[in-house]
Amino acid sequence: AQSVAQPEDQVNVAEGNPLTVKCTYSVSGNPYLFWYVQYPNRGLQFLLKYITGDNLVKGSYGFEAEFNKSQTSFHLKKPSALVSDSALYFCAVRDLHISYNTDKLIFGTGTRLQVFP
Amino acid sequence: DGGITQSPKYLFRKEGQNVTLSCEQNLNHDAMYWYRQDPGQGLRLIYYSQIVNDFQKGDIAEGYSVSREKKESFPLTVTSAQKNPTAFYLCASNRDRNTGELFFGEGSRLTVL
Repeated sequence: AQSVAQPEDQVNVAEGNPLTVKCTYSVSGNPYLFWYVQYPNRGLQFLLKYITGDNLVKGSYGFEAEFNKSQTSFHLKKPSALVSDSALYFCAVRDLHISYNTDKLIFGTGTRLQVFP
Repeated sequence: DGGITQSPKYLFRKEGQNVTLSCEQNLNHDAMYWYRQDPGQGLRLIYYSQIVNDFQKGDIAEGYSVSREKKESFPLTVTSAQKNPTAFYLCASNRDRNTGELFFGEGSRLTVL
């Protein structure tokens, strides 16, 4: 079964410093991977996705993610954190089975990013 | 503007009552989803529908029911059989059938007293 793991419940970083939010995955076949962000009492907003191609994926708000097949990881990164980046971040993997007519995203447990001024 | 509208935003109900959460989209997306969010547990899939008049159980379907009579609408009923219904409920639609990317509504917070 497809799954993702976010090993850190919370990540703290000072404004201006680089940030990394970790995600590892377990899939059969080629992974379709996603990052979403959630602000308090709001829905999830799409940040970026990896489908194929370059291992470094660029997304919204200056975020990027690095796909590493050998380490089965898809870490979210940003070179310089902003206080406004403070939010809950979710990694997700696509679970697609044509024969079972299944197409859904499986989410990790989320990582709370706190950026301090 | 296209989007997903979930209503109500906040809902309070007494234990033992059924409640229905509305999800309407004008994005012309075929597939729609309901997720439940609890602190520390991420998002868990309740039900999803790939096409009108068809839907499938997700990982935590017990105590919930859905219908998909129109492409635009995918209401979720939380029944009295759901043992712990207090949660944040998120509706989504499949924005890109090639990749599975989802677009989310703003959520409904249900509190059972």
